[in-house]
Amino acid sequence: AQSVTQLDSQVPVFEEAPVELRCNYSSSVSVYLFWYVQYPNQGLQLLLKYLSGSTLVESINGFEAEFNKSQTSFHLRKPSVHISDTAEYFCAVSRDSGGYQKVTFGIGTKLQVIP
Amino acid sequence: EAGVAQSPRYKIIEKRQSVAFWCNPISGHATLYWYQQILGQGPKLLIQFQNNGVVDDSQLPKDRFSAERLKGVDSTLKIQPAKLEDSAVYLCASSLNRGARETQYFGPGTRLLVL
Repeated sequence: AQSVTQLDSQVPVFEEAPVELRCNYSSSVSVYLFWYVQYPNQGLQLLLKYLSGSTLVESINGFEAEFNKSQTSFHLRKPSVHISDTAEYFCAVSRDSGGYQKVTFGIGTKLQVIP
Repeated sequence: EAGVAQSPRYKIIEKRQSVAFWCNPISGHATLYWYQQILGQGPKLLIQFQNNGVVDDSQLPKDRFSAERLKGVDSTLKIQPAKLEDSAVYLCASSLNRGARETQYFGPGTRLLVL
């Protein structure tokens, strides 16, 4: 079994301030880690993912996340947020299940950027 | 390329009525997922198809929910009869392949309100 914990349901932050959205996971097998973002009235879309290699992964719009195996975390960070970053962010873990993908999503963190 | 299409976008029904949702995945994507996203929670997998076969329907309430993907392309999810607790956003997603490393591509969702 696997689980994902996003401790913060809402995170308000002022524009141009840094932000960290926390994600912890548990799994008895190797997993892959994803962050998806959901803008208002839209479906989820991939922000970034960790599959292997460098534990620091980046997105095209300035977000980054670091896979920490010892702390079973995959926190999402951005040094300076913009109004357009206002959205809900979902952390997800994926493992192999009989050759298929088994994904578990966290409950989401709503990032509200304040002008 | 065109994204995942879903219809309708919104639906309001009374309890005990039936409702159907339609999804057309990205062309060439073999794996299709239906998720239920209740307010304040992350997406929960209802059913997963590989082409036209069911891979995982362990969390589908089979007494009232059914889904099909007859030709291995588009898919329909049905609820009959609906209950108040079925009020949620129903998300369809697809991926090119079935492995644990795959990115899922989501449609905009169908927001269902059961009165």
